[in-house]
Amino acid sequence: DTGVSQDPRHKITKRGQNVTFRCDPISEHNRLYWYRQTLGQGPEFLTYFQNEAQLEKSRLLSDRFSAERPKGSFSTLEIQRTEQGDSAMYLCASSTLQETQYFGPGTRLLVL
Amino acid sequence: QKEVEQNSGPLSVPEGAIASLNCTYSDRGSQSFFWYRQYSGKSPELIMFIYSNGDKEDGRFTAQLNKASQYVSLLIRDSQPSDSATYLCAVHNYGQNFVFGPGTRLSVLP
Repeated sequence: DTGVSQDPRHKITKRGQNVTFRCDPISEHNRLYWYRQTLGQGPEFLTYFQNEAQLEKSRLLSDRFSAERPKGSFSTLEIQRTEQGDSAMYLCASSTLQETQYFGPGTRLLVL
Repeated sequence: QKEVEQNSGPLSVPEGAIASLNCTYSDRGSQSFFWYRQYSGKSPELIMFIYSNGDKEDGRFTAQLNKASQYVSLLIRDSQPSDSATYLCAVHNYGQNFVFGPGTRLSVLP
């Protein structure tokens, strides 16, 4: 257990529904990252925050995806109008400014 | 497009042998390099990081970095069946994204 928690751990939804995932980072970590991972691939960067500021968002990320970190602590990732291609493991990681990232257990999304 | 490449494997080694995992990267400005282990269905866990050219040892693990060749490797000595997992290489350039390779599957045979 790295100290990064994610909720829910599993989510099954129907195509077209909206889903929201939560990540609670290690408390003293000011950086928080979201990744998506599909089978046989490495984690793919989605977005990251430093404190409450969203500093970068992947160009691969469609406008159906949005992330927030309102108070610089926990973060949420929302996917609107889910598609079957959104099925993946969604990973959250946190770090200090020294960069080493620690991952949460992930949220496995299945879109039917 | 910044890329990180790894052999997908599987790499099979007998128990007690040395496993050698390799990673190459395209961004010459990369400054920090990480190795993660990922068991099936689990999230990545950090094994080691390295910033400077040369070797860095931690227990049975040794990371090697050669920035001129844009190459980083991980050696696992005295491999155990519990080391069987996918090993992910990640590369970071300060102020930019982390980029992960696709991972190498390692199988340690008893």
